[in-house]
Amino acid sequence: DTEVTQTPKHLVMGMTNKKSLKCEQHMGHRAMYWYKQKAKKPPELMFVYSYEKLSINESVPSRFSPECPNSSLLNLHLHALQPEDSALYLCASSQDQRLAGRNYNEQFFGPGTRLTVL
Amino acid sequence: RKEVEQDPGPFNVPEGATVAFNCTYSNSASQSFFWYRQDCRKEPKLLMSVYSSGNEDGRFTAQLNRASQYISLLIRDSKLSDSATYLCVVNIMNSGGYQKVTFGTGTKLQVIP
Repeated sequence: DTEVTQTPKHLVMGMTNKKSLKCEQHMGHRAMYWYKQKAKKPPELMFVYSYEKLSINESVPSRFSPECPNSSLLNLHLHALQPEDSALYLCASSQDQRLAGRNYNEQFFGPGTRLTVL
Repeated sequence: RKEVEQDPGPFNVPEGATVAFNCTYSNSASQSFFWYRQDCRKEPKLLMSVYSSGNEDGRFTAQLNRASQYISLLIRDSKLSDSATYLCVVNIMNSGGYQKVTFGTGTKLQVIP
């Protein structure tokens, strides 16, 4: 199973709402990633979890709160977002973020959640 | 200078043509290199990893030039289905001992009938 799943596919929320994005993989990967992608731009790294611990936070505003309940699941909790946070949110996984080398760092992406903040 | 740079294109090429993209990176300590393709409104998909000695997968050839700090992707006999944005990815170990991923800006390819 080389699939990364994300729910929901689409999300519309107001600036006062609280919502969560979910990501799941069953490839036994120990690194999971959140990216934000705006139209016609490359994905921007937000957070990385390695062995269920936060390893990288790219200075993301606190209105985005990641959580890794176990090695297969990754959540992104959203609260008090702004309209400029509207984007495609992508989850990815790779074998192991602590090791150099192609095989450990090949990333598999989920289909993304398209978020609109009104 | 950006960490990872690509010519944004678009590259408009006829079917059957050969097209090449380059991607330059600024940090000589970079360790792993990849090419991804992304179709419109879809997620990036791994196209190929880049080996130090260069590697080929069908019509696609990837090369790494560490001395000049760039990777390249060559597509032979272009198909309409090759139309996509091609993203290079560079990994480097950060001070915390973790691989940090940096995406290039992407190069858009349009193959024309």
